Amino acid sequence: KAGVTQTPRYLIKTRGQQVTLSCSPISGHRSVSWYQQTPGQGLQFLFEYFSETQRNKGNFPGRFSGRQFSNSRSEMNVSTLELGDSALYLCASSLFPTVSYEQYFGPGTRLTVT
Amino acid sequence: GQQLNQSPQSMFIQEGEDVSMNCTSSSIFNTWLWYKQDPGEGPVLLIALYKAGELTSNGRLTAQFGITRKDSFLNISASIPSDVGIYFCSGFNFGNEKLTFGTGTRLTIIP
Repeated sequence: KAGVTQTPRYLIKTRGQQVTLSCSPISGHRSVSWYQQTPGQGLQFLFEYFSETQRNKGNFPGRFSGRQFSNSRSEMNVSTLELGDSALYLCASSLFPTVSYEQYFGPGTRLTVT
Repeated sequence: GQQLNQSPQSMFIQEGEDVSMNCTSSSIFNTWLWYKQDPGEGPVLLIALYKAGELTSNGRLTAQFGITRKDSFLNISASIPSDVGIYFCSGFNFGNEKLTFGTGTRLTIIP
């Protein structure tokens, strides 16, 4: 079956703009988590959605938000982009949140803020 | 954010050599996981450990869940070129249901 897909794969934005990233989980998976990966901070948890509800949130400012649709697809939004938001944004899906450690990652969206 | 201490940061080895890396934390975890990430891809789950003291193998990979629940080890035997990549440990805590990742070990195989 198809894996986790993320679109777009690459994105270049200007400081102050906003961006929306999309994630389609593996068919049947209802939980979607988002991570930010940077060379300096490594992989950092952003938030997790299950059944269209945010279940968990990492330590990121309110400029980072997300949502999940009824078909389990998820989007994350970053408003008022800063240079430090340049990163690889990874989405991971799992069947249920209580077993969310069995996550399958997508290839990521590389965001560059100039 | 919180990170796990993973060592070494990088390794340069010859094909056929065995590899060992470890991960330590100041916090207790309920589950330890090891991932591998290739360039341009997301992490791929290699091994999951669910019980303190557990030793689990996946082909040439062997990982152990430390007795104290604060550390884990990954060994790769007889390395091959496709083992090149970045290996991440991660700990899962049932209390906050979050995955915390290590800083990664970059494995390079010298021809």
